[in-house]
Amino acid sequence: GDSVTQMEGPVTLSEEAFLTINCTYTATGYPSLFWYVQYPGEGLQLLLKATKADDKGSNKGFEATYRKETTSFHLEKGSVQVSDSAVYFCALKSGGATNKLIFGTGTLLAVQP
Amino acid sequence: EAGVTQFPSHSVIEKGQTVTLRCDPISGHDNLYWYRRVMGKEIKFLLHFVKESKQDESGMPNNRFLAERTGGTYSTLKVQPAELEDSGVYFCASSHPGTSGYEQYFGPGTRLTVT
Repeated sequence: GDSVTQMEGPVTLSEEAFLTINCTYTATGYPSLFWYVQYPGEGLQLLLKATKADDKGSNKGFEATYRKETTSFHLEKGSVQVSDSAVYFCALKSGGATNKLIFGTGTLLAVQP
Repeated sequence: EAGVTQFPSHSVIEKGQTVTLRCDPISGHDNLYWYRRVMGKEIKFLLHFVKESKQDESGMPNNRFLAERTGGTYSTLKVQPAELEDSGVYFCASSHPGTSGYEQYFGPGTRLTVT
């Protein structure tokens, strides 16, 4: 079945460091890909998405490109801030009638001042 | 506009007891989803309502879990009797066909601890 694999955390970075969180997927058809973020004490928020190959999703300085050839959707940010500390989840929604999201295990990011 | 709300935020019960979780979706959202994250693992889909009908309940772990959405508004998820492995964070999400790409909006979750 469809699945998402993302790098395990925690990831600890200093402020202004470059961030990469790897995400790869297995899916039949043409899934849509998402990154969700959960800040402490809050619910999941959609960070960015891409619906077809070579699309780049971006938001709040974060970017991810839908790479069909490598089945990847890695999350990147050029300069992280303390306020980016959160848990990041990669997810996919399979094509077709189902609307369910399939998530990775989440990656905890801790940014130190 | 109010977001998705869940109640309670945290519940601690003993094995064998019953717990009912509630989710209030965003007003007007026909689609309502339940997910669960157990022990820091991936978030797993439980089921999907369209209005009051169960569209997909393929993720429900067993018959100790009962989800309802009477009237197509709020939803409840009852666990009876609770087992230790039911501990985790239960998320609710809602979406409406009018929102772009069927984007799902999530609530803050209910943390369930079974002792």
